[in-house]
Amino acid sequence: AQSVTQLDSQVPVFEEAPVELRCNYSSSVSVYLFWYVQYPNQGLQLLLKYLSGSTLVKGINGFEAEFNKSQTSFHLRKPSVHISDTAEYFCAVSEITGTASKLTFGTGTRLQVTL
Amino acid sequence: DVKVTQSSRYLVKRTGEKVFLECVQDMDHENMFWYRQDPGLGLRLIYFSYDVKMKEKGDIPEGYSVSREKKERFSLILESASTNQTSMYLCASSLSAGVGYTFGSGTRLTVV
Repeated sequence: AQSVTQLDSQVPVFEEAPVELRCNYSSSVSVYLFWYVQYPNQGLQLLLKYLSGSTLVKGINGFEAEFNKSQTSFHLRKPSVHISDTAEYFCAVSEITGTASKLTFGTGTRLQVTL
Repeated sequence: DVKVTQSSRYLVKRTGEKVFLECVQDMDHENMFWYRQDPGLGLRLIYFSYDVKMKEKGDIPEGYSVSREKKERFSLILESASTNQTSMYLCASSLSAGVGYTFGSGTRLTVV
């Protein structure tokens, strides 16, 4: 069975500083990987995804993530954060098998950006 | 843009009541999902459906059931609500595994 570990429950960072949110996954088969963002009182919005090909993927709002198969990681990065990036971020994995595209989510990382 | 609409943003129900949470998507997606979100636990899959009248249990189906009579509508049913079902409930739909999900805005359910 697939699983996802987000190593940090909270990440405080100053505005304009770089940030990395860590995500590790476990699966016995090939996977698709996703990052979602949730702003207060809203549903989840897709930030970016890795399906195949280049291991560095770029998403919305200046975020990017790198897939590392040997370390089973998919860390999210942004070189310079803004106050508006304050939100909760979820990493998710989907095994490439089966009839429905079940996603398994991590427990989330709350990014708090301050001045 | 795909829209996933959850009928209620906030609900307060009494213990023992039968509760219906409704979800409608407008893009002809095959797959629909119900998750609950709790602090520190992330999102946990309750039930999902990959076709009309088809359903499969997720990781935490106990105390819940679902109904999918039409492709666009996926309902979550709490047969007899309990206080430990107080949570945020998120509905999502997807076309295929590689596309990712589109989420609704969520229903915050409080059982008193």
